[in-house]
Amino acid sequence: SQQGEEDPQALSIQEGENATMNCSYKTSINNLQWYRQNSGRGLVHLILIRSNEREKHSGRLRVTLDTSKKSSSLLITASRAADTASYFCATDQRDTDKLIFGTGTRLQVFP
Amino acid sequence: EPEVTQTPSHQVTQMGQEVILRCVPISNHLYFYWYRQILGQKVEFLVSFYNNEISEKSEIFDDQFSVERPDGSNFTLKIRSTKLEDSAMYFCASSEMGRGQEHFGPGTRLLVL
Repeated sequence: SQQGEEDPQALSIQEGENATMNCSYKTSINNLQWYRQNSGRGLVHLILIRSNEREKHSGRLRVTLDTSKKSSSLLITASRAADTASYFCATDQRDTDKLIFGTGTRLQVFP
Repeated sequence: EPEVTQTPSHQVTQMGQEVILRCVPISNHLYFYWYRQILGQKVEFLVSFYNNEISEKSEIFDDQFSVERPDGSNFTLKIRSTKLEDSAMYFCASSEMGRGQEHFGPGTRLLVL
């Protein structure tokens, strides 16, 4: 698999349910970030978790990071129709400026 | 909250034409980036820029691409002779202290016909 792959590729849930998206990566990282993108629009930064952190919360978002498994998860609790978007993880590594984005999970929340 | 802005939001051009995509980074930021996203694909790094020079570029960023910070506020991406495969959403980003703090602009959708 490539650096930064999310699963599932697509997720459909009802409003009020929780949505969990996973991201796997291959090389050591400094930070892992999650971004949201509404269809055809810009990238909105959601949350950053550092390599020495295991869990982070921001409102209805909860991110975990397991560096031993090179994976992260994004949990959106009590989802709303407005959460419908694509969600991407992005990692950065030592000695490089670039963010490496994953393939994204398309989340559809039905009212 | 300050934001990165990009103009134009959409641009349509003919193959072979030059295009300049413009970005206004957040004012106290020192690191600037361009990324692109071909429709339905991953967001890909193009180039990073710091202290008035390119600090890193990807394989995509060939001689047809150039970046410039012509004044204290703008950051531009020029594509000298556009190809069909340059059609994509181009995102500018800036950060104050480098990695892990990137703020992305809303993007410019470029369509090459």
